[in-house]
Amino acid sequence: EVQLVESGGALVQPGGSLRLSCAISGFTFSSYEMSWVRQAPGKGLEWVSYISNTGSIIFYADSVKGRFTSSRDNAKNSLYLQMNSLRAEDTAVYYCARYYGGWYYFDYWGQGTLVTVSS
Amino acid sequence: QSALTQPASVSGSPGQSISISCTGTSSDVGSYNFVSWYQHHPGKAPKLIIYEVTERPSGVSIRFSGSKSGNTASLTISGLQAEDEADYYCCSRAGTRDVVFGGGTKLTVL
Repeated sequence: EVQLVESGGALVQPGGSLRLSCAISGFTFSSYEMSWVRQAPGKGLEWVSYISNTGSIIFYADSVKGRFTSSRDNAKNSLYLQMNSLRAEDTAVYYCARYYGGWYYFDYWGQGTLVTVSS
Repeated sequence: QSALTQPASVSGSPGQSISISCTGTSSDVGSYNFVSWYQHHPGKAPKLIIYEVTERPSGVSIRFSGSKSGNTASLTISGLQAEDEADYYCCSRAGTRDVVFGGGTKLTVL
């Protein structure tokens, strides 16, 4: 069974940092591209970042570029999102998702972890 | 790029059919056959129900179907059931490496 389990969400002050993790099981993690997608309260989904299966290619939405860093450890079947210089508008539920880059869709998602940026 | 436009809400009675529209531009929906749809029950993981405009993943009910005309994609759910009540999101390729989501539609089964 494919499982993606996010963790690391918390309440953090503006300007602070947080690291999210996504633990993967049920498929060969090193073979798949991954993404982070977020949903702000009362809003729709927003794609945040993409990382290739090897981690050699990474790109970000303009809204987080320069502040967020995505990485992966294929030996640990884990995906990460380092979030720095957090802003109130980064408040959202963050989902990790398996991504078919050649076909532009996300076939498996986690249940999400809540990040709240507030003083 | 701007989010794709979806109606905020739709509703239907059990057994009926409903459609949810997803309107983009010639830079996203209109240019690519890479539209996907997701069903999201709040608090749970979103679920892929349609990809590449019309394709259904294994295990997804045949009651779900997708289509596209010009800059607008649509999701149709036939034979509405109570468990279909959820939020639905469309997503489209929007460039070489970008995707854009819709704002989401809340489906209420009356």
